[in-house]
Amino acid sequence: AQTVTQSQPEMSVQEAETVTLSCTYDTSENNYYLFWYKQPPSRQMILVIRQEAYKQQNATENRFSVNFQKAAKSFSLKISDSQLGDTAMYFCAFMKTYRIQFYFGTGTSLTVIP
Amino acid sequence: SQTIHQWPATLVQPVGSPLSLECTVEGTSNPNLYWYRQAAGRGLQLLFYSVGIGQISSEVPQNLSASRPQDRQFILSSKKLLLSDSGFYLCACSTSNTGELFFGEGSRLTVL
Repeated sequence: AQTVTQSQPEMSVQEAETVTLSCTYDTSENNYYLFWYKQPPSRQMILVIRQEAYKQQNATENRFSVNFQKAAKSFSLKISDSQLGDTAMYFCAFMKTYRIQFYFGTGTSLTVIP
Repeated sequence: SQTIHQWPATLVQPVGSPLSLECTVEGTSNPNLYWYRQAAGRGLQLLFYSVGIGQISSEVPQNLSASRPQDRQFILSSKKLLLSDSGFYLCACSTSNTGELFFGEGSRLTVL
């Protein structure tokens, strides 16, 4: 079975500052996808960023970027210039390539402080 | 893009009563469909997934069952609810193996 671990249940950051959320995973697969999803309070879960394991370049989406360390099985999310709207639960997720099961971590609750 | 409708949004049921949560998808055909349960401190637990009509795979043994009577309809059921079935249930779909998952707004179930 695949496991995804998020060791930070809660984090906070000052508005406009940078914060990094950690995620590690365990797999024997070589090809897979990693994701960060965001769940704002009382709102729908949405995709933040996606990384293909075969790509060495870290994915970036505007203020969101990842640090993908394949050998270490680490996939952290960096949020730059934090905004109040970034307050949400963030989930790290794993999917084997060409498979359909997605596996999620336990989440990190991020609060952006004005 | 896909839109996922999930209902009811909130449900309070007594122990031993039946359950039916429904999910429908618009904007795509032949999606992969999923039921997740979200519990505080435990993340999202994959309960069931389906790659086609009548095809259901279960990830964990439990008191729940799932059915897919139509291509874009996914139903989560129970004959007799347990207290431990309380939680937030999310329906999701994906349309390619490189997915992303699209989620519904969720159904909050409280079993008393």
